[in-house]
Amino acid sequence: GQNIDQPTEMTATEGAIVQINCTYQTSGFNGLFWYQQHAGEAPTIRSYNVLDGLEEKGRFTSFLSRSKGYSYLLLKELQMKDSASYLCAVKDSNYQLIWGAGTKLIIKP
Amino acid sequence: GAVVSQHPSWVICKSGTSVKIECRSLDFQATTMFWYRQFPKQSLMLMATSNEGSKATYEQGVEKDKFLINHASLTLSTLTVTSAHPEDSSFYICSASRGTGGNSPLHFGNGTRLTVT
Repeated sequence: GQNIDQPTEMTATEGAIVQINCTYQTSGFNGLFWYQQHAGEAPTIRSYNVLDGLEEKGRFTSFLSRSKGYSYLLLKELQMKDSASYLCAVKDSNYQLIWGAGTKLIIKP
Repeated sequence: GAVVSQHPSWVICKSGTSVKIECRSLDFQATTMFWYRQFPKQSLMLMATSNEGSKATYEQGVEKDKFLINHASLTLSTLTVTSAHPEDSSFYICSASRGTGGNSPLHFGNGTRLTVT
């Protein structure tokens, strides 16, 4: 079967850096996507990788290793507004999005 | 700015009535749009794939006669919840890819919170 694993919850301190990991097992690969979702709102794309390596978008950086089925999302200079759920999603060989359950990130002052 | 627009943001309806939700792609054409549903504290669940000019593809367990999808133009897809019941109360979100490549990210509308009384 296809599955995506990410931690259920993480806590970090305002101003610090946090890394959210994601491992996946899918039938084929056509991109890995990181979404941010605040409670009661729709997801927003924050970063994505199609090839191995790093992608940087402002304070958000994502890394991908296709051979290891592994990705992480790095958030720098954490702000209180970064408290949200972060969803890891992978497009499989049929371009279907497979979703992780999400990581709830709690930022403390 | 917004890439996908969804309307209404929230709606309250009585049991037995129907509700229509609109999803529009802004400044791009979307031959395919996706409808998701999300219950509180749960992950996104794909309901159906809306295809312009043809029938929608429904995921297993989703009643096509209850959740009517129409994708009549390249920028508009609608989801109609027919004969709504309280258990249909949920957060409905549509999405579309801006790029033509299959590996382009999905952009989501702001979602519609449906409450059936």
